[in-house]
Amino acid sequence: LAKTTQPISMDSYEGQEVNITCSHNNIATNDYITWYQQFPSQGPRFIIQGYKTKVTNEVASLFIPADRKSSTLSLPRVSLSDTAVYYCLVGSQTGANNLFFGTGTRLTVIP
Amino acid sequence: GAGVSQSPSNKVTEKGKDVELRCDPISGHTALYWYRQSLGQGLEFLIYFQGNSAPDKSGLPSDRFSAERTGGSVSTLTIQRTQQEDSAVYLCASSLGGATGNTIYFGEGSWLTVV
Repeated sequence: LAKTTQPISMDSYEGQEVNITCSHNNIATNDYITWYQQFPSQGPRFIIQGYKTKVTNEVASLFIPADRKSSTLSLPRVSLSDTAVYYCLVGSQTGANNLFFGTGTRLTVIP
Repeated sequence: GAGVSQSPSNKVTEKGKDVELRCDPISGHTALYWYRQSLGQGLEFLIYFQGNSAPDKSGLPSDRFSAERTGGSVSTLTIQRTQQEDSAVYLCASSLGGATGNTIYFGEGSWLTVV
Protein backbone atom coordinates (compact mmCIF):
# COMPACT_ATOMS: atom_id res chain seq x y z
CA LEU A 1 0.00 0.00 0.00
CA ALA A 2 1.54 3.23 -1.17
CA LYS A 3 1.00 5.40 1.89
CA THR A 4 1.55 9.12 1.53
CA THR A 5 2.82 11.73 3.96
CA GLN A 6 2.10 15.44 3.60
CA PRO A 7 2.41 18.45 5.89
CA ILE A 8 -0.76 18.95 7.86
CA SER A 9 -1.03 22.65 7.12
CA MET A 10 0.64 25.55 5.30
CA ASP A 11 0.08 29.28 5.21
CA SER A 12 0.94 31.57 2.32
CA TYR A 13 0.37 35.17 1.33
CA GLU A 14 -1.59 36.06 -1.74
CA GLY A 15 0.46 36.20 -4.91
CA GLN A 16 3.15 33.84 -3.71
CA GLU A 17 4.07 30.48 -5.19
CA VAL A 18 3.18 27.54 -2.97
CA ASN A 19 4.91 24.18 -3.07
CA ILE A 20 3.37 21.22 -1.27
CA THR A 21 5.49 18.08 -1.07
CA CYS A 22 4.17 14.57 -0.67
CA SER A 23 6.32 11.61 0.35
CA HIS A 24 5.50 8.16 -1.01
CA ASN A 25 8.51 5.99 -0.33
CA ASN A 26 6.96 2.67 -1.36
CA ILE A 27 5.38 3.79 -4.60
CA ALA A 28 4.92 0.91 -7.05
CA THR A 29 5.94 0.78 -10.69
CA ASN A 30 2.35 1.05 -11.91
CA ASP A 31 1.36 3.86 -9.57
CA TYR A 32 0.47 7.32 -10.78
CA ILE A 33 0.54 10.42 -8.60
CA THR A 34 -2.59 12.54 -8.52
CA TRP A 35 -3.42 15.69 -6.59
CA TYR A 36 -6.89 16.76 -5.56
CA GLN A 37 -8.27 19.96 -4.09
CA GLN A 38 -11.17 19.97 -1.66
CA PHE A 39 -13.18 22.95 -0.46
CA PRO A 40 -15.44 22.68 2.59
CA SER A 41 -18.72 20.91 1.89
CA GLN A 42 -17.58 19.77 -1.55
CA GLY A 43 -16.13 16.62 -3.04
CA PRO A 44 -12.45 16.53 -4.00
CA ARG A 45 -11.62 18.02 -7.38
CA PHE A 46 -8.86 16.76 -9.70
CA ILE A 47 -5.95 19.15 -10.12
CA ILE A 48 -3.11 17.32 -11.85
CA GLN A 49 -1.66 13.86 -12.44
CA GLY A 50 1.77 12.61 -13.37
CA TYR A 51 4.02 9.58 -13.52
CA LYS A 52 7.51 11.05 -13.70
CA THR A 53 9.45 14.29 -14.35
CA LYS A 54 7.28 17.38 -14.70
CA VAL A 55 3.68 17.96 -15.67
CA THR A 56 2.09 21.37 -16.09
CA ASN A 57 -1.47 22.43 -16.74
CA GLU A 58 -3.40 25.68 -16.51
CA VAL A 59 -3.63 25.62 -12.73
CA ALA A 60 -0.56 23.84 -11.35
CA SER A 61 2.70 22.04 -11.96
CA LEU A 62 3.75 18.67 -10.61
CA PHE A 63 7.39 17.83 -10.09
CA ILE A 64 8.41 14.20 -9.66
CA PRO A 65 12.07 13.25 -9.11
CA ALA A 66 13.65 10.28 -10.82
CA ASP A 67 13.18 7.93 -7.85
CA ARG A 68 9.47 8.90 -7.65
CA LYS A 69 9.52 8.65 -3.86
CA SER A 70 8.11 12.12 -3.52
CA SER A 71 6.27 14.70 -5.56
CA THR A 72 5.71 18.44 -5.28
CA LEU A 73 2.58 20.29 -6.26
CA SER A 74 3.35 23.86 -7.24
CA LEU A 75 0.62 26.50 -7.27
CA PRO A 76 1.75 29.76 -8.89
CA ARG A 77 0.58 33.10 -7.46
CA VAL A 78 -2.05 31.78 -5.07
CA SER A 79 -5.20 33.74 -4.32
CA LEU A 80 -7.61 33.61 -1.39
CA SER A 81 -9.79 31.19 -3.35
CA ASP A 82 -6.99 28.62 -3.29
CA THR A 83 -7.57 28.12 0.44
CA ALA A 84 -8.48 24.44 0.60
CA VAL A 85 -7.23 21.00 1.54
CA TYR A 86 -4.89 19.38 -0.97
CA TYR A 87 -4.59 15.62 -1.18
CA CYS A 88 -1.81 13.60 -2.76
CA LEU A 89 -3.03 10.26 -4.06
CA VAL A 90 -0.74 7.47 -5.17
CA GLY A 91 -1.96 4.30 -6.76
CA SER A 92 -3.13 2.43 -9.78
CA GLN A 93 -6.65 1.66 -10.79
CA THR A 94 -6.14 -2.06 -10.77
CA GLY A 95 -7.31 -2.29 -7.19
CA ALA A 96 -9.12 0.36 -5.23
CA ASN A 97 -7.41 -0.48 -1.97
CA ASN A 98 -4.24 0.77 -3.61
CA LEU A 99 -5.71 4.25 -3.69
CA PHE A 100 -4.76 5.84 -0.42
CA PHE A 101 -5.87 9.33 0.50
CA GLY A 102 -3.86 10.77 3.35
CA THR A 103 -5.07 13.48 5.67
CA GLY A 104 -4.15 16.15 3.16
CA THR A 105 -2.52 19.56 3.53
CA ARG A 106 -4.70 22.44 4.64
CA LEU A 107 -3.50 25.50 2.74
CA THR A 108 -4.54 28.89 4.07
CA VAL A 109 -3.93 31.89 1.85
CA ILE A 110 -3.57 35.12 3.77
CA PRO A 111 -4.41 38.53 2.29
CA GLY B 1 -25.04 14.02 -16.61
CA ALA B 2 -21.72 15.76 -16.80
CA GLY B 3 -20.47 14.67 -13.42
CA VAL B 4 -21.02 12.19 -10.62
CA SER B 5 -24.41 12.74 -9.08
CA GLN B 6 -25.31 11.79 -5.53
CA SER B 7 -28.57 11.83 -3.64
CA PRO B 8 -29.75 12.86 -1.18
CA SER B 9 -27.34 15.71 -0.65
CA ASN B 10 -28.33 15.85 3.01
CA LYS B 11 -29.98 13.26 5.21
CA VAL B 12 -30.89 13.42 8.89
CA THR B 13 -31.99 10.13 10.36
CA GLU B 14 -32.73 8.71 13.75
CA LYS B 15 -30.39 6.22 15.34
CA GLY B 16 -31.38 2.68 14.44
CA LYS B 17 -33.00 3.53 11.12
CA ASP B 18 -31.73 2.31 7.76
CA VAL B 19 -30.56 4.74 5.07
CA GLU B 20 -29.86 4.41 1.37
CA LEU B 21 -27.50 6.68 -0.50
CA ARG B 22 -27.50 6.76 -4.28
CA CYS B 23 -24.73 7.42 -6.78
CA ASP B 24 -24.99 8.01 -10.53
CA PRO B 25 -21.50 7.78 -12.01
CA ILE B 26 -20.31 9.53 -15.12
CA SER B 27 -21.68 7.79 -18.19
CA GLY B 28 -19.23 5.20 -19.51
CA HIS B 29 -17.23 4.94 -16.32
CA THR B 30 -16.85 1.32 -15.32
CA ALA B 31 -15.13 1.91 -11.98
CA LEU B 32 -17.12 3.24 -9.03
CA TYR B 33 -15.90 4.02 -5.51
CA TRP B 34 -17.46 4.91 -2.19
CA TYR B 35 -15.51 6.86 0.40
CA ARG B 36 -16.46 8.24 3.78
CA GLN B 37 -15.18 11.47 5.27
CA SER B 38 -15.82 12.50 8.84
CA LEU B 39 -15.68 16.17 9.78
CA GLY B 40 -12.17 17.51 9.36
CA GLN B 41 -10.76 14.12 8.47
CA GLY B 42 -9.30 12.50 5.37
CA LEU B 43 -11.07 10.13 3.01
CA GLU B 44 -11.75 6.56 4.14
CA PHE B 45 -12.15 3.95 1.41
CA LEU B 46 -15.32 1.85 1.69
CA ILE B 47 -15.96 -0.18 -1.46
CA TYR B 48 -14.96 -0.38 -5.12
CA PHE B 49 -16.80 -1.74 -8.16
CA GLN B 50 -15.04 -2.45 -11.45
CA GLY B 51 -17.14 -3.69 -14.34
CA ASN B 52 -18.54 -7.15 -13.72
CA SER B 53 -15.84 -8.13 -11.25
CA ALA B 54 -16.64 -8.92 -7.64
CA PRO B 55 -16.55 -5.68 -5.64
CA ASP B 56 -13.69 -4.88 -3.29
CA LYS B 57 -15.48 -4.57 0.04
CA SER B 58 -12.37 -4.45 2.17
CA GLY B 59 -13.10 -0.94 3.46
CA LEU B 60 -16.62 -1.50 4.78
CA PRO B 61 -16.44 -0.82 8.53
CA SER B 62 -19.08 -3.34 9.62
CA ASP B 63 -21.74 -5.71 8.34
CA ARG B 64 -24.28 -2.90 8.73
CA PHE B 65 -22.79 -1.42 5.55
CA SER B 66 -23.50 -2.84 2.12
CA ALA B 67 -23.48 -1.59 -1.43
CA GLU B 68 -24.66 -2.76 -4.79
CA ARG B 69 -24.31 -1.60 -8.33
CA THR B 70 -27.09 -2.43 -10.73
CA GLY B 71 -26.46 -2.78 -14.44
CA GLY B 72 -22.93 -1.54 -14.10
CA SER B 73 -24.14 2.00 -13.52
CA VAL B 74 -26.09 3.31 -10.52
CA SER B 75 -24.88 2.30 -7.07
CA THR B 76 -26.64 2.30 -3.71
CA LEU B 77 -24.86 2.34 -0.37
CA THR B 78 -27.04 1.04 2.44
CA ILE B 79 -26.39 1.56 6.13
CA GLN B 80 -28.56 -0.52 8.42
CA ARG B 81 -29.37 0.32 12.02
CA THR B 82 -27.50 3.61 11.83
CA GLN B 83 -25.33 4.74 14.72
CA GLN B 84 -24.19 8.23 15.62
CA GLU B 85 -20.64 7.39 14.57
CA ASP B 86 -21.96 6.84 11.05
CA SER B 87 -22.46 10.60 10.73
CA ALA B 88 -20.18 11.74 7.92
CA VAL B 89 -20.21 12.73 4.30
CA TYR B 90 -20.33 9.77 1.95
CA LEU B 91 -18.52 10.46 -1.31
CA CYS B 92 -18.99 8.53 -4.51
CA ALA B 93 -16.48 8.65 -7.33
CA SER B 94 -16.05 7.07 -10.74
CA SER B 95 -13.34 6.56 -13.31
CA LEU B 96 -13.04 5.14 -16.80
CA GLY B 97 -11.83 1.78 -15.67
CA GLY B 98 -9.08 -0.39 -14.37
CA ALA B 99 -6.21 0.99 -16.42
CA THR B 100 -3.55 2.89 -14.57
CA GLY B 101 -3.64 6.64 -14.66
CA ASN B 102 -7.40 7.04 -14.95
CA THR B 103 -8.57 10.11 -13.08
CA ILE B 104 -11.17 9.66 -10.35
CA TYR B 105 -14.04 12.13 -10.38
CA PHE B 106 -15.98 12.77 -7.20
CA GLY B 107 -19.55 13.73 -6.53
CA GLU B 108 -20.47 16.41 -4.01
CA GLY B 109 -21.31 13.85 -1.39
CA SER B 110 -24.27 12.84 0.74
CA TRP B 111 -24.12 14.42 4.18
CA LEU B 112 -25.51 11.99 6.76
CA THR B 113 -26.39 13.04 10.28
CA VAL B 114 -27.57 10.41 12.74
CA VAL B 115 -29.39 11.86 15.73
